[in-house]
Amino acid sequence: AQSVTQPDIHITVSEGASLELRCNYSYGATPYLFWYVQSPGQGLQLLLKYFSGDTLVQGIKGFEAEFKRSQSSFNLRKPSVHWSDAAEYFCAVGGDSSYKLIFGSGTRLLVRP
Amino acid sequence: DGGITQSPKYLFRKEGQNVTLSCEQNLNHDAMYWYRQDPGQGLRLIYYSQIVNDFQKGDIAEGYSVSREKKESFPLTVTSAQKNPTAFYLCASSLGARGETQYFGPGTRLLVL
Repeated sequence: AQSVTQPDIHITVSEGASLELRCNYSYGATPYLFWYVQSPGQGLQLLLKYFSGDTLVQGIKGFEAEFKRSQSSFNLRKPSVHWSDAAEYFCAVGGDSSYKLIFGSGTRLLVRP
Repeated sequence: DGGITQSPKYLFRKEGQNVTLSCEQNLNHDAMYWYRQDPGQGLRLIYYSQIVNDFQKGDIAEGYSVSREKKESFPLTVTSAQKNPTAFYLCASSLGARGETQYFGPGTRLLVL
């Protein structure tokens, strides 16, 4: 079955600390992977995406993610978190055989001053 | 500026009433999508449309209907058959090929009176 798992419902980090949000997927074909961010009451904004090529992907706002096929993971990282990064983050998987994206249940990031 | 607009931002439904949520895009995208978001859950696909005058059911289509008469517009009707309509509704669009990046509107929150 196709699925995305984000094992952490909430994560709290101090401002300036590093961040890693976990994402594991199950997908029968070559996956296309996405990270989106959502502020309260807003739509989703694309942070970055992986289709092929270099497994380390750079995105907006200083985020990066690494695709590890052997671990079926696509973890999101940021070296130094800012208070404005507090939001909910969604990992999603799709592929060239489907129009559908499958979303994880999200990780809410809280940033301590 | 190109983008996706959704209206209204908030919508109230009375028992037995049908309501329609608007979604418009000026990105010249062929494909459009409707998702439902409930607290603590990821996004669930209601309907999607690959091209004008064509649409397919997603994972939770019961109680909803759509039309796609124009490329720019993909309205969603929440019918009285949808017994638990309170949720945040997100519209998205993509260029049209399978696996393409989806871009999201700001969302409509539907509440039941």
